[in-house]
Amino acid sequence: AQKITQTQPGMFVQEKEAVTLDCTYDTSDPSYGLFWYKQPSSGEMIFLIYQGSYDQQNATEGRYSLNFQKARKSANLVISASQLGDSAMYFCAMSLGYTGRRALTFGSGTRLQVQP
Amino acid sequence: GAGVSQTPSNKVTEKGKYVELRCDPISGHTALYWYRQSLGQGPEFLIYFQGTGAADDSGLPNDRFFAVRPEGSVSTLKIQRTERGDSAVYLCASSAGGTEYGELFFGEGSRLTVL
Repeated sequence: AQKITQTQPGMFVQEKEAVTLDCTYDTSDPSYGLFWYKQPSSGEMIFLIYQGSYDQQNATEGRYSLNFQKARKSANLVISASQLGDSAMYFCAMSLGYTGRRALTFGSGTRLQVQP
Repeated sequence: GAGVSQTPSNKVTEKGKYVELRCDPISGHTALYWYRQSLGQGPEFLIYFQGTGAADDSGLPNDRFFAVRPEGSVSTLKIQRTERGDSAVYLCASSAGGTEYGELFFGEGSRLTVL
């Protein structure tokens, strides 16, 4: 069975600084996808970034980048130039690649607080 | 609106009662998902629809939970004989893709409280 581990329940960062949110995963399936979602207090899950297991380069989306280290089974999210609006829960998630299965397995999340 | 719509946003019920939670996905999205998020946890997969059929219902915790999507758009999650442990936020998501990667768009959830 697949598993996602987020070991940081909470993180603080100063506005305009970069922050790294940790995520490790476990699966025996060679084909998988890794996702990061942001959940503000409104409750809606907002997609941030995706990395496929066969992608050679680390994914980037604006201020978000995913530090994918396949051998270590880690998929850390890096947020550059933090903004006050980045304060939220952040979830790492994984999907398996075999046909018919599109369910995401989520970690327990990290609460990020950006301080002015 | 253009996003995923879930109703009710809040539901309080008594133990043993029956509840229905509704999800209206983004127009044209063929894939629809239900997740459950307990306090302090990440969402937990319940069921996935591709069109009208449940392609994967392996996450439903027991036979008290059932979901339908009769016309391939709106879905209803049904919970019979509710228990206090069913209290959670129920999230619905939709995507344009099926088994291939496609971005999931989530609603704001239905918060269920079972007294």
